[in-house]
Amino acid sequence: GQNIDQPTEMTATEGAIVQINCTYQTSGFNGLFWYQQHAGEAPTFLSYNVLDGLEEKGRFSSFLSRSKGYSYLLLKELQMKDSASYLCAVSDSNYQLIWGAGTKLIIKP
Amino acid sequence: TAGITQAPTSQILAAGRSMTLRCTQDMRHNAMYWYRQDLGLGLRLIHYSNTAGTTGKGEVPDGYSVSRANTDDFPLTLASAVPSQTSVYFCASSDEGQGGNEQFFGPGTRLTVL
Repeated sequence: GQNIDQPTEMTATEGAIVQINCTYQTSGFNGLFWYQQHAGEAPTFLSYNVLDGLEEKGRFSSFLSRSKGYSYLLLKELQMKDSASYLCAVSDSNYQLIWGAGTKLIIKP
Repeated sequence: TAGITQAPTSQILAAGRSMTLRCTQDMRHNAMYWYRQDLGLGLRLIHYSNTAGTTGKGEVPDGYSVSRANTDDFPLTLASAVPSQTSVYFCASSDEGQGGNEQFFGPGTRLTVL
């Protein structure tokens, strides 16, 4: 079956760095997405990786290793507004998105 | 521009009743999707449409139907609601079929079936 695994919850301190991991097993691979979802709101796009390596976008970076079925989202200089759930999703061989359950990130002052 | 709008924002529905959740986008995106999101589970695809006039089944299509008469609108119908359909429903759209294209989400409809 298809599976996306990510930690249920993580806690970090304002100003620090946090890494949210995602491992996947899917039938085919056409890219991996990271979305941010604040409580009670819709998911919003953060990043897309289709080739191995690191993609940097401001305070957020996303890494992909296709051979290991692994990705991480790195958030630097954490701010209180970064408290949210972070969703990992993989586009499979049929170009359908398979979603992880999300990682709830709690930022403490 | 509004992006994607959904209506209603929330609804309480008696089991056995029918209901249509509305979704409209103004970005002229070809592809549209309906997901449900339940606590502890990832977003699950109900139905999708890669272009006006075509629809397809996602991971959890039973009990739901969709239509895509034009580019902008993608309504989701529950013919006879059951309590297990209590969920938050998100409509989304993208430029092309899923592939590498970012999906834009509507604000969601919170549905409770009693």
